[in-house]
Amino acid sequence: AIQLTQSPSSLSASVGDRVTITCRAGQGIRSSLAWYQQQPGKAPKLLINDASNLERGVPSRFSGSGSGTDFTLTISSLQPEDFATYYCQQFYSDPTFGGGTKVEIK
Amino acid sequence: EVQLVESGGGLVQPGGSLRLSCAASGFTFSNHWLSWVRQAPGKGLEWVANIKRDGSEKYYVDSVKGRFTISRDNAKNSLYLQLNSLRAEDTAVYYCAKEGDPGGFDSWGQGTLVTVSS
Repeated sequence: AIQLTQSPSSLSASVGDRVTITCRAGQGIRSSLAWYQQQPGKAPKLLINDASNLERGVPSRFSGSGSGTDFTLTISSLQPEDFATYYCQQFYSDPTFGGGTKVEIK
Repeated sequence: EVQLVESGGGLVQPGGSLRLSCAASGFTFSNHWLSWVRQAPGKGLEWVANIKRDGSEKYYVDSVKGRFTISRDNAKNSLYLQLNSLRAEDTAVYYCAKEGDPGGFDSWGQGTLVTVSS
């Protein structure tokens, strides 16, 4: 199974801050990576597919980049509704998820 | 609107069995791969199994191979997961998820909780 390592595991930020989360794959996965947001007690929501394609209806402050083994999720200006846990997931082979990054209010 | 509704969770003793169901609507069910993804309390997400559009291919995470069976009924727009020989570490919320194009899970159910405890 392809291992995904997310960092940091948690961060504290303020409304308006720029936030970057990284995801490193244990082997090259081309652009076969998705990002999800999960609010407490809710199902995950797909934000970005194929490393950089924003899903319909997702605010443009979210962006994704990378290919191969290194990927990033960026939130350009953090909003109150963005405080949540974020996961990366690869679909190059049998799906695996990163360990998650919890974004908390500073 | 895509809807996925899971059912069948509950409390079961170690070694017991359970069958989860997922009723789908709002999309052409037979055109999509489907997965089960679980989340243990306070933990991250773990993909469990997936099944091809016509049910001809099935894949599992190593930890459930030989114990869990995924299946689907395209006539009933339903996905299933048979859980046998359950262990405490199988305790989790189980989500059904629709696989999008080119990948990723673009729709999720609300989840059903499976608790394995004596």
